[in-house]
Amino acid sequence: DQQVKQNSPSLSVQEGRISILNCDYTNSMFDYFLWYKKYPAEGPTFLISISSIKDKNEDGRFTVFLNKSAKHLSLHIVPSQPGDSAVYFCAASAYQANNLFFGTGTRLTVIP
Amino acid sequence: DSGVTQTPKHLITATGQRVTLRCSPRSGDLSVYWYQQSLDQGLQFLIQYYNGEERAKGNILERFSAQQFPDLHSELNLSSLELGDSALYFCASSPRGQGADGYTFGSGTRLTVV
Repeated sequence: DQQVKQNSPSLSVQEGRISILNCDYTNSMFDYFLWYKKYPAEGPTFLISISSIKDKNEDGRFTVFLNKSAKHLSLHIVPSQPGDSAVYFCAASAYQANNLFFGTGTRLTVIP
Repeated sequence: DSGVTQTPKHLITATGQRVTLRCSPRSGDLSVYWYQQSLDQGLQFLIQYYNGEERAKGNILERFSAQQFPDLHSELNLSSLELGDSALYFCASSPRGQGADGYTFGSGTRLTVV
């Protein structure tokens, strides 16, 4: 049972525009959420995270929004750059839990 | 370089064989996680070790086993291999073994079973 879902396998965006990647979760015990970025032939790398006590966290061009009532989070990238082209994984963790649950990933392509 | 080292990077083997994947965690990290990524699938959690002890188990097949050694490196053993075991296998490490710490991933081992 997939507890973290990324329903869009792929997304294409023009350079300079906003990229919005979405993630839904089913487990109400999740209280910490992370986004990872993965380039081909590399492992995923941490991008940004958010705790359930917040509804927004911003780091440069990257902002994550959390809607707890909808069990939904999104990653906004503004402005999008060609170097942002990668697979983005959403992940979630419950308080003091041992492991992260990952979504299936969204492949973002930023078109120059 | 993330600090997590996985070897080998690529492995091609025949069905029925056994292979061992190796992972050295980032310096100072006590916990090691193994994940499997099959085609078009997300990262499926296999198993976690913390300071030499198994801490959590996910969807790991009985044909698979793992261990973490005193020097904290870990090995994932896959036996009686089937075509469906072809996947990317990632190792990750974290300082305290809690999901909220975030992980540092290695670059993965691509296993191809023919």
